[in-house]
Amino acid sequence: DTEVTQTPKHLVMGMTNKKSLKCEQHMGHRAMYWYKQKAKKPPELMFVYSYEKLSINESVPSRFSPECPNSSLLNLHLHALQPEDSALYLCASSQSGDEQFFGPGTRLTVL
Amino acid sequence: KQEVTQIPAALSVPEGENLVLNCSFTDSAIYNLQWFRQDPGKGLTSLLLIQSSQREQTSGRLNASLDKSSGRSTLYIAASQPGDSATYLCAVGELYNTDKLIFGTGTRLQVFP
Repeated sequence: DTEVTQTPKHLVMGMTNKKSLKCEQHMGHRAMYWYKQKAKKPPELMFVYSYEKLSINESVPSRFSPECPNSSLLNLHLHALQPEDSALYLCASSQSGDEQFFGPGTRLTVL
Repeated sequence: KQEVTQIPAALSVPEGENLVLNCSFTDSAIYNLQWFRQDPGKGLTSLLLIQSSQREQTSGRLNASLDKSSGRSTLYIAASQPGDSATYLCAVGELYNTDKLIFGTGTRLQVFP
């Protein structure tokens, strides 16, 4: 099973709201990733968790807060976002810097 | 700083053609290179992974080659089909930070019947 699942598929939120994105994988992968993708652009890495510890933070604003409760689950907590944060948020997982498998993404719209 | 470029940016071909997508990177010190396809508004689907010690990988009608010394990779698609229409992305894994992928700019492919 090479599936990464993400919920919700779509999310609309106001600038004062707090919401969370969820990502799950059951492949036993030790690394999990959050990417942001704007229209017609390649994905941009935001965060990497390796063995449940944050290993990479690509200077992401603090209004994005990642969390890795266990080896299968990755959350992205959102607070006080701006309209320019509207994008497709992608989660991925991999084993030991190997092939990355992506989820279907969450389409986020910030009003 | 590693930069990854894909040429052409867009390609439109009739069904049945064999085609080549190009990926160039500026720093040859890479860990691996991965090819993905992305349908509009969807996630990325992994097509092929080439380790830095390998020269090519094949899966069905797809063949990817890697020439580290010249900083190039090509994705060959044989006998293209309308279902191949998508955006194709290459991504380079950094040698000293193997969890980090640097993505190319993508090639948008349309195969018409």
